[in-house]
Amino acid sequence: GAVVSQHPSWVICKSGTSVKIECRSLDFQATTMFWYRQFPKQSLMLMATSNEGSKATYEQGVEKDKFLINHASLTLSTLTVTSAHPEDSSFYICSASPASGNQETQYFGPGTRLLVL
Amino acid sequence: GESVGLHLPTLSVQEGDNSIINCAYSNSASDYFIWYKQESGKGPQFIIDIRSNMDKRQGQRVTVLLNKTVKHLSLQIAATQPGDSAVYFCAERETSGSRLTFGEGTQLTVNP
Repeated sequence: GAVVSQHPSWVICKSGTSVKIECRSLDFQATTMFWYRQFPKQSLMLMATSNEGSKATYEQGVEKDKFLINHASLTLSTLTVTSAHPEDSSFYICSASPASGNQETQYFGPGTRLLVL
Repeated sequence: GESVGLHLPTLSVQEGDNSIINCAYSNSASDYFIWYKQESGKGPQFIIDIRSNMDKRQGQRVTVLLNKTVKHLSLQIAATQPGDSAVYFCAERETSGSRLTFGEGTQLTVNP
């Protein structure tokens, strides 16, 4: 149980284009979903917290107009990197907290590797 | 600001030995802690968690110890196997909050 998927698993795009990453909780409903980015050999850095049906809360230093987050249902959140640039290349990981049961734990997706050329 | 850090960035052990991975945290308001395992190119995998009203919790081959006096968390892996090789992160959550703060990670290498 508690499986989270991400799509795509990797993407290569040209500078200036937008990329959408999906995060789905497959066997549970998620009240809250989180988006992280991780650079090589570094820890996870929280970008934003999203609750179903409301606006995402962004961490300090994360541009909300560049990283658009939509959490339209209890099983799906999307992150859109708009006008991507090479410095946006990273490993993007989502997590989800169950709406019932152990709501404190976050279950992570497999990550999406983004390479911007 | 508040942070979660690790004493050792790398740890090498022989297969079959026990491993101990340590984590120091500085936020006294944290009430919930989680250990995650991350294999190369994958997302973090939940291993075990512990609440601040406990000082020990055991799982399958893993034990987490919490010492609130010195703000220290450890993960013990019994009979370490090659498949345990990964980066291990501790994470803490503040009381009444939802966000997790991750430590720097420890690379565990198990030698056959």
